[in-house]
Amino acid sequence: GAVVSQHPSWVICKSGTSVKIECRSLDFQATTMFWYRQFPKQSLMLMATSNEGSKATYEQGVEKDKFLINHASLTLSTLTVTSAHPEDSSFYICSARESTTYYEQYFGPGTRLTVT
Amino acid sequence: KQEVTQIPAALSVPEGENLVLNCSFTDSAIYNLQWFRQDPGKGLTSLLLIQSSQREQTSGRLNASLDKSSGRSTLYIAASQPGDSATYLCAVRVGTGANNLFFGTGTRLTVIP
Repeated sequence: GAVVSQHPSWVICKSGTSVKIECRSLDFQATTMFWYRQFPKQSLMLMATSNEGSKATYEQGVEKDKFLINHASLTLSTLTVTSAHPEDSSFYICSARESTTYYEQYFGPGTRLTVT
Repeated sequence: KQEVTQIPAALSVPEGENLVLNCSFTDSAIYNLQWFRQDPGKGLTSLLLIQSSQREQTSGRLNASLDKSSGRSTLYIAASQPGDSATYLCAVRVGTGANNLFFGTGTRLTVIP
């Protein structure tokens, strides 16, 4: 089956620093990737959608300059949280979709970000 | 705007019991509905996907039904086991080729040995 990996699985960083999270589709080409964030006991909220080679489309209320998304290849997307603050602490989950199965997304295992 | 609600928010049952999780959505114009399982601190595992033209899907001890016109779906788990303990999320996809899933807030299930 389709597998999506994320790295790192957890990260702790100091306030004001930047952290990069990688999302990879291991056995398929992901034409579209999605980034979600999930606060404790809450559901997933879509942050942005990225198509390979194009700029990401951000959901309303998500700061594009703070959450930089790059989808440079068909198997890799990265989310960089710039100038992180404690309120950015959250669980970030990526999802990928291949062009032939546009109706289904495959989810990564998530990355726990803690900003101190 | 599509809103997805799951009731109950939490549920505890003794091992071996059959149970039903509920999901409702406000806009019936969905493309499909998907049930996921999420273990604590982990990502999502897809359990069942029901296309809008279907009424149910089954996988092992799991059965999901869809009543699009009334905006409801149920996930039936038979003979529950402690390993079923997790949060169950339902999500609806709007429109063909849509790039978004609308998630419910989940039901946290605990199966007591």
